[in-house]
Amino acid sequence: GENVEQHPSTLSVQEGDSAVIKCTYSDSASNYFPWYKQELGKRPQLIIDIRSNVGEKKDQRIAVTLNKTAKHFSLHITETQPEDSAVYFCAASRGDMRFGAGTRLTVKP
Amino acid sequence: NAGVTQTPKFQVLKTGQSMTLQCAQDMNHEYMSWYRQDPGMGLRLIHYSVGAGITDQGEVPNGYNVSRSTTEDFPLRLLSAAPSQTSVYFCASSYIRTAGYNEQFFGPGTRLTVL
Repeated sequence: GENVEQHPSTLSVQEGDSAVIKCTYSDSASNYFPWYKQELGKRPQLIIDIRSNVGEKKDQRIAVTLNKTAKHFSLHITETQPEDSAVYFCAASRGDMRFGAGTRLTVKP
Repeated sequence: NAGVTQTPKFQVLKTGQSMTLQCAQDMNHEYMSWYRQDPGMGLRLIHYSVGAGITDQGEVPNGYNVSRSTTEDFPLRLLSAAPSQTSVYFCASSYIRTAGYNEQFFGPGTRLTVL
């Protein structure tokens, strides 16, 4: 089955800096790659997603890039703010969705 | 729209007991799934369903059963609870379209402790 690896497991940045989280997947048939944000004690919520026919997608301060050949995709957050502090999960899906282990992002004011 | 609902929110079981975690969605989503979340391990897929009457196993199905008799409901049954099943359980649902799968909406979770 699909295996998703996510790095780093923790990331600390200064407010205003950029943050990058990287994921790799194993199944070349995966065609949908979402990113979820989970705040403490809450449910995961989608922040951005990308399909395999697209190389990059942006939504304000958040962007995702996908390299199908290398089977990796990345989340970029620019101008980070303290409210961006949370755990971020990448996932890959060709039907059943598999998640990475998560990255705990801390944005220091 | 209530979205995805789960009951109960919290549950404590003794080893060997059985119970059913309830999940319902009112968005007419074809796809429903169950995950468990343990510290440092992300969300691991237990079982999923692409429609009424169709279920399949995910990464960690042992010790759990599911059924999908209606589009709205997708209960998860623990047959004989073990301490290793202590976790937070999330149910999720999404549409399936010709372009593929879509955003999964998560329920609020059930925190289960097995003593």
